[in-house]
Amino acid sequence: AQTVTQSQPEMSVQEAETVTLSCTYDTSENNYYLFWYKQPPSRQMILVIRQEAYKQQNATENRFSVNFQKAAKSFSLKISDSQLGDTAMYFCAFLNINAGNMLTFGGGTRLMVKP
Amino acid sequence: DVKVTQSSRYLVKRTGEKVFLECVQDMDHENMFWYRQDPGLGLRLIYFSYDVKMKEKGDIPEGYSVSREKKERFSLILESASTNQTSMYLCASRSLGGDLYNSPLHFGNGTRLTVT
Repeated sequence: AQTVTQSQPEMSVQEAETVTLSCTYDTSENNYYLFWYKQPPSRQMILVIRQEAYKQQNATENRFSVNFQKAAKSFSLKISDSQLGDTAMYFCAFLNINAGNMLTFGGGTRLMVKP
Repeated sequence: DVKVTQSSRYLVKRTGEKVFLECVQDMDHENMFWYRQDPGLGLRLIYFSYDVKMKEKGDIPEGYSVSREKKERFSLILESASTNQTSMYLCASRSLGGDLYNSPLHFGNGTRLTVT
């Protein structure tokens, strides 16, 4: 079974600054996908960014990028030029392709962007 | 845009009551899911459905059942609500085509259930 750990329950960052949210996972699989989801106060879960394990290049989506370290089983999310609208819960998730296409979520990090 | 609608945003029920949480999606998705969200535990899968009248247990099915009589609707049922089922419940759907990477989940806005 896979486990996903987000070691930072809460974080804060000043508007316009950069913040990194950490995520580690434990698996014996070699082929898998990783995701970051955002849940703002509206509660609507939104996919932020995704990474295929066999791709060495880190995924980037506008101000959001990841640092994927496969050997270390680490998948951190970097938010650049933080905006007030980035205030949300962030969940890291792992998908084992060989195990029924089910997601395993981490416990979440609550991010507060301060003006 | 895909819309996943959960019928109640907040719900308060008494211990022992039978509770129905309803979820409707408008994009003809085959797969539908019910998750439970608790602080520090993230989202945990309760049940999912690959298609109409099909259901599979997730990681924490005890105390819950589901119904999928129509493709667009997936109901979560608490047969006899207990206080430890106080939680946020999230419904999600996705198209059958491809895997979760290429066909990601679309979530509803959640139902916060309190059992007293």
